This record gives sequence, structure tokens and C-alpha cells, in this order.
Amino acid sequence: GDSVTQTEGQVALSEEDFLTIHCNYSASGYPTLFWYVQYPGEGPQLLFRASRDKEKGSSRGFEATYDKGTTSFHLRKASVQESDSAVYYCALSGVDSNYQLIWGSGTKLIIKP
Amino acid sequence: AQTIHQWPVAEIKAVGSPLSLGCTIKGKSSPNLYWYWQATGGTLQQLFYSITVGQVESVVQLNLSASRPKDDQFILSTEKLLLSHSGFYLCAWNRDRETLYFGSGTRLTVL
Repeated sequence: GDSVTQTEGQVALSEEDFLTIHCNYSASGYPTLFWYVQYPGEGPQLLFRASRDKEKGSSRGFEATYDKGTTSFHLRKASVQESDSAVYYCALSGVDSNYQLIWGSGTKLIIKP
Repeated sequence: AQTIHQWPVAEIKAVGSPLSLGCTIKGKSSPNLYWYWQATGGTLQQLFYSITVGQVESVVQLNLSASRPKDDQFILSTEKLLLSHSGFYLCAWNRDRETLYFGSGTRLTVL
């Protein structure tokens, strides 16, 4: 079945550091890929999504590019701020998703002031 | 604009007691509705979804049940809580299997 893999369980950075959170997926065809962010005590909220190969999603300085060849959708940000501290989830909606998003395990981002 | 309201915000309940959590969507007709559960520090687990009034599909039951009595309302319940039911419950909606929009959640503590 479809799957999403986030390799980093936790990332600790200092302000203005460069961020990369890796997301790889396994699914047939062209699934829709999502990045969500969840702040403590809140529900996840969409950062952005992408549906086609080479499509770039971006929001609030974060970006990711849909790469069918490497089956990846890595999240990047050039300069993180303390306010970016949160849990980030990669997810996919496959062609046969049947009303289920497939979620990665989440990456907790800690920004040291 | 669409709004999603979950109630209560938090609950502390005893093992073996009943539970009812609710979710209301305003500003969107015939949404797909979802219940998710999240253990403390854990990932998101989909429990149920509903695409129309009176129809609910189970993904993972965890000794819980769900109902959709009205187009804009989704209820999660159980007659007997377990310690393992503790966690964060999230209601969400979308249209046509697109982006999910989540509520602010209910924090449940079972003692």
C-alpha cells in the first residue's frame, strides 16, 4: 500500500539556520503531496500541497518540490525562526486513497533562541 | 468562510465512563467529515470518515463509534472508556478528497 517516510523524528537548529526535513513516498501514479504544520495544542494546518512532478509548493518561507524520479517532497527553509518550532507532517492522497490521507510520522522542529 | 468547532475543549473522565465528543462545520454544505486520534507525542491516526448524513465508515475503531446525525455534525462516542483512549481528538473536513481542514481538537484524559 501507499506509504510516507519521514526520516527525522526531531531536528534541533538555531535561529537563521537552514532547514531540511526529508519526506519520501511510495504510491502509484501521481499522488497529491502535502506538508502540514502542527503547533502545540492545535490541529494540523496546511502549509502547501503539490500534485504534479516538478511542482513547487511554498508558504511562509517554506518550500518543497514534487520529485517523481526520487519519490520525494523534502521540506526546506533558508532561515528558521523561533516561531517555526512545531511538528511537521508530510502526507499523501493517493489515486486509490478512499478518503484516507497517508501520514508520515512527523518531525518535531526545535529552534534554540 | 468555513468554521469548524469542536467540543468540549478538554475532558477528564474515569475509566469505564461514557464519552461523547462533537464537531460542527459551518459554511460548507455536504462536507466529508473525519475523526482523528493522536496519542501524546504521537502521529495522526484516522478513526472514521463520513461522506454523507447517516453514513460512517470505520478505519480503526479503538472501541469507539461515530455518527453523523446532521449534515454539519459529527459525533464520536463510547459507552466505556479505556485508559488507552487518552489523547487528542481532532475533527476535520474536506470536499472531494482535497486538503483536510482540522478543528482545534479535544484533549481527553482518562484516569
